[in-house]
Amino acid sequence: AQSVTQLGSHVSVSEGALVLLRCNYSSSVPPYLFWYVQYPNQGLQLLLKYTTGATLVKGINGFEAEFKKSETSFHLTKPSAHMSDAAEYFCAVSETNQAGTALIFGKGTTLSVSS
Amino acid sequence: NAGVTQTPKFQVLKTGQSMTLQCAQDMNHEYMSWYRQDPGMGLRLIHYSVGAGITDQGEVPNGYNVSRSTTEDFPLRLLSAAPSQTSVYFCASSRTVALQGIATEAFFGQGTRLTVV
Repeated sequence: AQSVTQLGSHVSVSEGALVLLRCNYSSSVPPYLFWYVQYPNQGLQLLLKYTTGATLVKGINGFEAEFKKSETSFHLTKPSAHMSDAAEYFCAVSETNQAGTALIFGKGTTLSVSS
Repeated sequence: NAGVTQTPKFQVLKTGQSMTLQCAQDMNHEYMSWYRQDPGMGLRLIHYSVGAGITDQGEVPNGYNVSRSTTEDFPLRLLSAAPSQTSVYFCASSRTVALQGIATEAFFGQGTRLTVV
């Protein structure tokens, strides 16, 4: 069964600094990978996704992620943090197997941005 | 565009009561799922469905039932509420890629905040 590990439940950066949120997955087949963002008291919003093709994926709000099969990673980055980026971020994996298909989420990383 | 609609937004139940959380989507997605979100636990999959008449269990199915009689609706039933079911519940729907049957990105409802006392 697939699983997702997000390293660091809480990441703090200064405004203007690089944002790096780590995600590793386990999957026996090439997966689909996603990053979602959740603002307080709201649902989840898709930031970006990897399905096939180019391994560097660009998303909304200046975020991007790179699929590295050899490292089973899909880390999320943003060159310069903004106060409005403070939120909780979830990495997710989707794959199909004999039981069907399922979207599995990591435990989330809370990003804090200080001025 | 409505997307995924969950009702109610808030609910307080007494231990032992039953209730149904409603979820409807208007995107004609095959795949629908229910998650619960608890602090430090992320989103855990309760049940999911790959189409009308087809459901399967996720990671934490105990105490919950689902059915999928139409493509649009995927209600979640709590049979006998327990304090451990206090959580925020999210419904999501996804399109599946035809040949692979794999779920693509999920669209989420706004959530139902359930408290069991």
